[in-house]
Amino acid sequence: EAQVTQNPRYLITVTGKKLTVTCSQNMNHEYMSWYRQDPGLGLRQIYYSMNVEVTDKGDVPEGYKVSRKEKRNFPLILESPSPNQTSLYFCASSLSVSNTEAFFGQGTRLTVV
Amino acid sequence: GQQVMQIPQYQHVQEGEDFTTYCNSSTTLSNIQWYKQRPGGHPVFLIQLVKSGEVKKQKRLTFQFGEAKKNSSLHITATQTTDVGTYFCGGGSARQLTFGSGTQLTVLP
Repeated sequence: EAQVTQNPRYLITVTGKKLTVTCSQNMNHEYMSWYRQDPGLGLRQIYYSMNVEVTDKGDVPEGYKVSRKEKRNFPLILESPSPNQTSLYFCASSLSVSNTEAFFGQGTRLTVV
Repeated sequence: GQQVMQIPQYQHVQEGEDFTTYCNSSTTLSNIQWYKQRPGGHPVFLIQLVKSGEVKKQKRLTFQFGEAKKNSSLHITATQTTDVGTYFCGGGSARQLTFGSGTQLTVLP
């Protein structure tokens, strides 16, 4: 089954404790992105990747890091989480520049206390 | 940068009534996509519009892309309780898809 898998689904952590949210897609998609969703603000792009080893900042990249060492994986790293990073996070992938339908993962609800 | 505004933010309708949500972009869009997110779920792709003035239908849903490719609308005819959720528009490219803030639809039985 074609899908985007995120882990964990829920995470409660403390300020400053590094964490990684994993994202994996099995569709051989070139493009992958991370979004955060906050009430009233919709989906805001954090980082995106056009292919292996090619990443760039989205609209709200501060406090986040990403890497794309393999085509299928695109982890999101919070080196020192803060309470303002409490949010619902989605990973998404798209096939190519000409086929931009985005497939979203199930989401990760992160709480930083 | 590109901004996509979506209205209304919330809409409550009685089952059977129609519903429309609107998106407006600050810049011309190469394409616009619509997604639906059920409560507690993740966004799911509905459709993509590419051509100026394009109109597409999916059963009770009608999607329009403006002539200037800066606005779009989603219209649902005779809403059902299964239509409940948040509808997002997104414009741009695979590299950077800018989403509107969404319209949360509640359908009262």
